[in-house]
Amino acid sequence: QSALTQPASVSGSPGQSITISCTGTSSDVGGYKYVSWYQQRPGKAPKLMIYDVSNRPSGVSDRFSVSKSGNTASLTISGLQAEDEADYYCSSYTSRSTNWVFGGGTRLTVL
Amino acid sequence: QVQLVESGGGVVQPGRSLRLSCAASGFSFSGYAVHWVRQAPGKGLEWVALISHDGSKKNYADSVKGRFTISRDNSKNTVYVEMNSLRAEDTALYYCAREGSGWSLDHWGQGTLVTVSS
Repeated sequence: QSALTQPASVSGSPGQSITISCTGTSSDVGGYKYVSWYQQRPGKAPKLMIYDVSNRPSGVSDRFSVSKSGNTASLTISGLQAEDEADYYCSSYTSRSTNWVFGGGTRLTVL
Repeated sequence: QVQLVESGGGVVQPGRSLRLSCAASGFSFSGYAVHWVRQAPGKGLEWVALISHDGSKKNYADSVKGRFTISRDNSKNTVYVEMNSLRAEDTALYYCAREGSGWSLDHWGQGTLVTVSS
């Protein structure tokens, strides 16, 4: 059982916006700004999309954005494109002994 | 460009050991922490272990604590994970990843597959 909770799946049509939530506790998501998001296409390694809650690495589209409220961080993808179809994982620093935790992942389907 | 290449995976019997390697290039290796993350077939990502840039700090997931040991050789730009007492549930694709800003993993290798089976 993952420490961070994500919906198993979301879907949307091209051009629409979707949001993926990532819910933790005050020991992780709610207590620190160190939340990151990863995109994993089938058969590929994960790719960093967002870090420090809302920063995008060079080359990542500004269609990807994140907000955080309390113990929940949310990834929004606007102007959905077919290439966005992938699994998305959140991750956070945690004050628990392991210091690092992932969400269970969300499969995004572009209809 | 930043590159991470894992090796050492294979098929191993339960209870046996295996050592994975992660060879890095394209950046100042000794300045970065490195992590291992695994993904069981059809499952999500599971963080496994981390080692600080100089090897002074190591941390492990509860699921591998006491069985896995992470280490690094900065002269060889390589991180290792020694996996002992392997179990069927350790079967996974093992990725190494560089730690970037804000506790993120900004570069990943392509993974090496470990299968624990009799």
